Amino acid sequence: AQSVTQLGSHVSVSEGALVLLRCNYSSSVPPYLFWYVQYPNQGLQLLLKYTSAATLVKGINGFEAEFKKSETSFHLTKPSAHMSDAAEYFCAVSSGGSNYKLTFGKGTLLTVNP
Amino acid sequence: DADVTQTPRNRITKTGKRIMLECSQTKGHDRMYWYRQDPGLGLRLIYYSFDVKDINKGEISDGYSVSRQAQAKFSLSLESAIPNQTALYFCATSDSGETNEKLFFGSGTQLSVL
Repeated sequence: AQSVTQLGSHVSVSEGALVLLRCNYSSSVPPYLFWYVQYPNQGLQLLLKYTSAATLVKGINGFEAEFKKSETSFHLTKPSAHMSDAAEYFCAVSSGGSNYKLTFGKGTLLTVNP
Repeated sequence: DADVTQTPRNRITKTGKRIMLECSQTKGHDRMYWYRQDPGLGLRLIYYSFDVKDINKGEISDGYSVSRQAQAKFSLSLESAIPNQTALYFCATSDSGETNEKLFFGSGTQLSVL
């Protein structure tokens, strides 16, 4: 079985501040890990993914995430928040392979204050 | 035009009614999925299909059925809608190649069951 836990359902930061969204995973096999973003009134879009290559993964819009096996974590960061980053962020895990299926976390709503 | 199109965008119905949500895609992907999103619960998988002749239950399939009419079309039915099926429903697609873990989402259907 696989699962993800996102710590904090709501994170609020000031524009220009560091963004840190936390995700811990559980998987019985080496996981594939993802961050998706959902802007208001839209579907989800892939931000970045980890698939057993480099542990530090860079995504779109200046976001990156680091896979830490010892901590079973895949936290999402951005050095400087922008107003346009306000959205809901979902961490997800899959076991990869031919029977691919994603399991999503409950989401973290990011608010960026001017 | 959107690559993954869901119709309708919004639907209000009454308890006991039969409802069909439709999804079509122009991405040429063989895999299609239906998720529901509830506030604070993230996305949960209802059904998924890896090709036209393959239908699989997700984690919350009770009360739902699906039909994969063609590679490009995947519809979700609620045979007898109930209020706790009020949610935002998303269709998604992926291919079976190297990028099979990347999901492409439609814009969602907001369903309200009164």
